[in-house]
Amino acid sequence: SAVISQKPSRDICQRGTSLTIQCQVDSQVTMMFWYRQQPGQSLTLIATANQGSEATYESGFVIDKFPISRPNLTFSTLTVSNMSPEDSSIYLCSVVRNSGQRETQYFGPGTRLLVL
Amino acid sequence: EDKVVQSPLSLVVHEGDTVTLNCSYEVTNFRSLLWYKQEKKAPTFLFMLTSSGIEKKSGRLSSILDKKELFSILNITATQTGDSAIYLCAVRGGSNYKLTFGKGTLLTVNP
Repeated sequence: SAVISQKPSRDICQRGTSLTIQCQVDSQVTMMFWYRQQPGQSLTLIATANQGSEATYESGFVIDKFPISRPNLTFSTLTVSNMSPEDSSIYLCSVVRNSGQRETQYFGPGTRLLVL
Repeated sequence: EDKVVQSPLSLVVHEGDTVTLNCSYEVTNFRSLLWYKQEKKAPTFLFMLTSSGIEKKSGRLSSILDKKELFSILNITATQTGDSAIYLCAVRGGSNYKLTFGKGTLLTVNP
């Protein structure tokens, strides 16, 4: 398995502000992702965090709103910019760990964000 | 676009019951199907299935994948209150690592 930590675990923010979420993994991983889970919904992929290059965003998500950094193979940040109440969600960091030919995907503990 | 449908959306049972959770999918170039248990925020990995007809077992939990009919089931026997959670099914297809999730099944096990 993978040990993944996220900070903060939760936050309450005012509309118009920005929040940066950190994700730390216990060992180097090639593939790191950011997911969002809005209330009552399932998980949706925001972007793939690429080490040494710009993140790859899914349809409906843009860099200006969700800038991502990946300075090394164990750490990434996701910023939720200019927040609105619609950004209230759980944000989850995820990594793929290879074991032989198995590509198992693990999730961090999540950051619960409430925007007022 | 990849699609995952889980049923039922919610289920209430008594301790000791056996439950079967369903997951059907449509995915381009199927690679794997994963089951997760979500109790608070973080989904916890349960199983990954890649080949049809392979049954994975871990204690009271087992899962089967049918790649011909495009579905998977998750069985939980002798349920306990600690099994209460949302169970998520996800598929991975194509050449990237993107997971497409279903909406989940909320399982409540009453004492």
